Amino acid sequence: DAGVTQSPTHLIKTRGQQVTLRCSPKSGHDTVSWYQQALGQGPQFIFQYYEEEERQRGNFPDRFSGHQFPNYSSELNVNALLLGDSALYLCASSPGLINEKLFFGSGTQLSVL
Amino acid sequence: GEDVEQSLFLSVREGDSSVINCTYTDSSSTYLYWYKQEPGAGLQLLTYIFSNMDMKQDQRLTVLLNKKDKHLSLRIADTQTGDSAIYFCAESITPSDKLIFGTGTRLQVFP
Repeated sequence: DAGVTQSPTHLIKTRGQQVTLRCSPKSGHDTVSWYQQALGQGPQFIFQYYEEEERQRGNFPDRFSGHQFPNYSSELNVNALLLGDSALYLCASSPGLINEKLFFGSGTQLSVL
Repeated sequence: GEDVEQSLFLSVREGDSSVINCTYTDSSSTYLYWYKQEPGAGLQLLTYIFSNMDMKQDQRLTVLLNKKDKHLSLRIADTQTGDSAIYFCAESITPSDKLIFGTGTRLQVFP
């Protein structure tokens, strides 16, 4: 079992650009959540997808959007990148909406220059 | 409000016990979690406790919950160098609600 896989592992972008991050959930998991972890901080919830719909959303602007595909994989898109978007983006999956079964990926480190 | 506070740093000698503390502010939180993050890795769930419990023990880990003071602690017995990591507490109102994480406590274990 590969666990939660995220790609790419590292990414460098410039201000104003757009970025797409990808996540494949752990086998058997159908729910995907995204978190942003700034340096020295705890993860902040961005949104959660279940049955291809956004179920919950944190306090992030509309520049942050996502999608879940029929195979349960997910993408996180960020438009008009700002320097402050530099962070580790973590994807987590679970079988249904169950936090106790939440598995995290290793993340994508995004640097915005 | 949503705010989870932790002390930033803890240093302990190998073999001693470590106690990591957390204070949360949302009294409606009913599920509390402890996660471990090692360098270059994602978050690993260590244990969790429901708000109707005062204590939970799992091998070397003991979680204590003081709901009145909104205080959560994680005790690691016989701390090893492999326990060196950042530890996050997190809360959620329901078992399917978003997780609200603390700022993390960096545990350093020295020989």
